[in-house]
Amino acid sequence: QKEVEQNSGPLSVPEGAIASLNCTYSDRGSQSFFWYRQYSGKSPELIMSIYSNGDKEDGRFTAQLNKASQYVSLLIRDSQPSDSATYLCAVNAGAGSYQLTFGKGTKLSVIP
Amino acid sequence: NAGVTQTPKFQVLKTGQSMTLQCAQDMNHNSMYWYRQDPGMGLRLIYYSASEGTTDKGEVPNGYNVSRLNKREFSLRLESAAPSQTSVYFCASSEFAGVNQPQHFGDGTRLSIL
Repeated sequence: QKEVEQNSGPLSVPEGAIASLNCTYSDRGSQSFFWYRQYSGKSPELIMSIYSNGDKEDGRFTAQLNKASQYVSLLIRDSQPSDSATYLCAVNAGAGSYQLTFGKGTKLSVIP
Repeated sequence: NAGVTQTPKFQVLKTGQSMTLQCAQDMNHNSMYWYRQDPGMGLRLIYYSASEGTTDKGEVPNGYNVSRLNKREFSLRLESAAPSQTSVYFCASSEFAGVNQPQHFGDGTRLSIL
C-alpha cells in the first residue's frame, strides 16, 4: 500500500512568520509531487507542483523535494490569516503511474 | 471560467436508493477522476477515465459505477446507496493521463445517506 504521510496538525504560526509543512512518501518510484490548499468546506486547489530534487519558488510559496529521503515540503513565507487552511500533499502512485495518492492533510492556522 | 462543474452540490438519500452524480469540464481535458473524501481518510480515488471511451477502477470502486459520456462529462452512479457511502465526492480533470499532470477539482457533492 503506497502511503503519503503528513502531520495532521493543527500547525499554528503567527502572522508574518514562515510556515513549514512536511510530507513523506513510501514509493521510491514516485516522480511527481503536488501541494493543494483546501479551505474548510471547499475543494482542493492546486498551489504548487515539483518534479525534480531541489527548491521551486512561486511567490510566497516554496516547494522542496528530496527524493533520496522521500520527503517533500512546502514553505509559506510571510504567512497571512488567509493562508489558514488544510494543505494536502499528493504524490503519483509509483513510477509511471498517473494516479495520485493523497496525504490526509495538515491544518494550518495563522494567528493575527 | 467554470472549470470543473459538479451537480448536485448537496443530496440526501435513503438507504437503497440510486442516484447519479454529474461532472463536466470545459478545459478540453482528456482525463477525469472521481474521488471521495471522508474525515480522517483523505482523498481516495474511486474511478478514473484516462481518455474518452476508457474507465478504470481506483482504490475504492465497490458500490459505484461510472460512465464517460463524452470528452466533457464523467458521471458516477450509486446503484443502491449505503450509509457507508456518505461522503463528499469530488470530480477532477487533467489535460491528459501523464505522470506530471496536475489535477483540477470541482466544488464537490456532499452526499448523506440515511
